[in-house]
Amino acid sequence: QSVLTQPPSVSGAPGQRVTISCTGSSSNIGAGYDVHWYQQLPGTAPKLLIYGNSNRPSGVPDRFSGSKSGTSASLAITGLQAEDEADYYCQSYDSSLSGSSVFGTGTKVTVL
Amino acid sequence: EVQLVESGGGLVQPGGSLRLSCAASGFTFSSYWMSWVRQAPGKGLEWVANIKQDGSEKYYVDSVKGRFTISRDNAKNSLYLQMNSLRAEDTAVYYCARAFTYYDFWSGYYYFDYWGQGTLVTVSS
Repeated sequence: QSVLTQPPSVSGAPGQRVTISCTGSSSNIGAGYDVHWYQQLPGTAPKLLIYGNSNRPSGVPDRFSGSKSGTSASLAITGLQAEDEADYYCQSYDSSLSGSSVFGTGTKVTVL
Repeated sequence: EVQLVESGGGLVQPGGSLRLSCAASGFTFSSYWMSWVRQAPGKGLEWVANIKQDGSEKYYVDSVKGRFTISRDNAKNSLYLQMNSLRAEDTAVYYCARAFTYYDFWSGYYYFDYWGQGTLVTVSS
């Protein structure tokens, strides 16, 4: 039950900046709930990338940044590198779904 | 070092049952909410269930309510997912994840900070 919508794919050349949107509604992002982002490299488990809208865990490069406004959130990758090629997911809380988490539909980032 | 190691996946016929386990180490297991998240082949992530530190509260995605049961044994640092009446659409890699809570869980202030490597469940005849 993905209620957070992301573009299926984005691409960019090495060194470029790409952004991934995550669009929700008044029962999740629009209600003020925080957004978190995960990176999933091919064949591996997801890894926490951004928490609390814009905070990076230790070890995550500052090329990754997050923001939130209204019913949407965004993940930006600046100075795109080959190793950033992965799937990215946003996640938030939804008050209409009895104590549950919701993930975005996922975005495949391709480095050209 | 935080480690989460899932086991118990495999091939099961529709209508069958399976019990997944997740062995936790490197942190005080009893202090954290824990979760199961799944990913169907070639698809996105789907949250499945959450369980409170003492097991007194549990939440499920609608599609598994009444069929799946999340539980934990804090003495064994283990998380479980009992899956009954399995369907083809339950085929997925199942991940165990730690739900890190800041402020309070019921206001949605949590995220999944550590994940296991996943265990594959295939429901097919």
